[in-house]
Amino acid sequence: EPEVTQTPSHQVTQMGQEVILRCVPISNHLYFYWYRQILGQKVEFLVSFYNNEISEKSEIFDDQFSVERPDGSNFTLKIRSTKLEDSAMYFCASSDLAGGHTGELFFGEGSRLTVL
Amino acid sequence: GQQLNQSPQSMFIQEGEDVSMNCTSSSIFNTWLWYKQDPGEGPVLLIALYKAGELTSNGRLTAQFGITRKDSFLNISASIPSDVGIYFCAGRIGSTFIFGSGTRLSVKP
Repeated sequence: EPEVTQTPSHQVTQMGQEVILRCVPISNHLYFYWYRQILGQKVEFLVSFYNNEISEKSEIFDDQFSVERPDGSNFTLKIRSTKLEDSAMYFCASSDLAGGHTGELFFGEGSRLTVL
Repeated sequence: GQQLNQSPQSMFIQEGEDVSMNCTSSSIFNTWLWYKQDPGEGPVLLIALYKAGELTSNGRLTAQFGITRKDSFLNISASIPSDVGIYFCAGRIGSTFIFGSGTRLSVKP
């Protein structure tokens, strides 16, 4: 069964360092998303991406964050200069929303980011 | 921004009991999704609802898309220990999916 895959599963970094989280969405999906979940809290929307550009973004997605689809399969989230409060689980998701599909959202297993 | 109010926040039930949880919003949604999340894992899609009034079942799970399109509920019948986890609702507006704050379910054998 097709699935969303994410790497790394866990990354530990020093405050101020750059981090890149990687995702391979489901191959025939056209909408890609990043969500964040701080331990014990709700799943928060960061950004959606369609047709090689950001479709929507939340207040959390400030200038420290960027997304990119560098090739036909990968979708990345970059945090330019990490802060302690960036420590969270980051989930990539993809949807078959476009093309007349009704739209279900499928998640990867997540990348746990720990900022020291 | 849009917000989903999910309740209850947590539930402690005996194995075999039925469970009900719901999400409400002041916004109208095009799609309602229900997810289960186990510790350290990503949310797993349980049920998807696309039309107002739609009632859909998946095994012991039943969910409904409210007539006003502003709410949804999820029922779990005859709970078992492996039902333990956090259940999230999600509503779609346009291409954005917004999540509720989750219902933490504990099941005592």
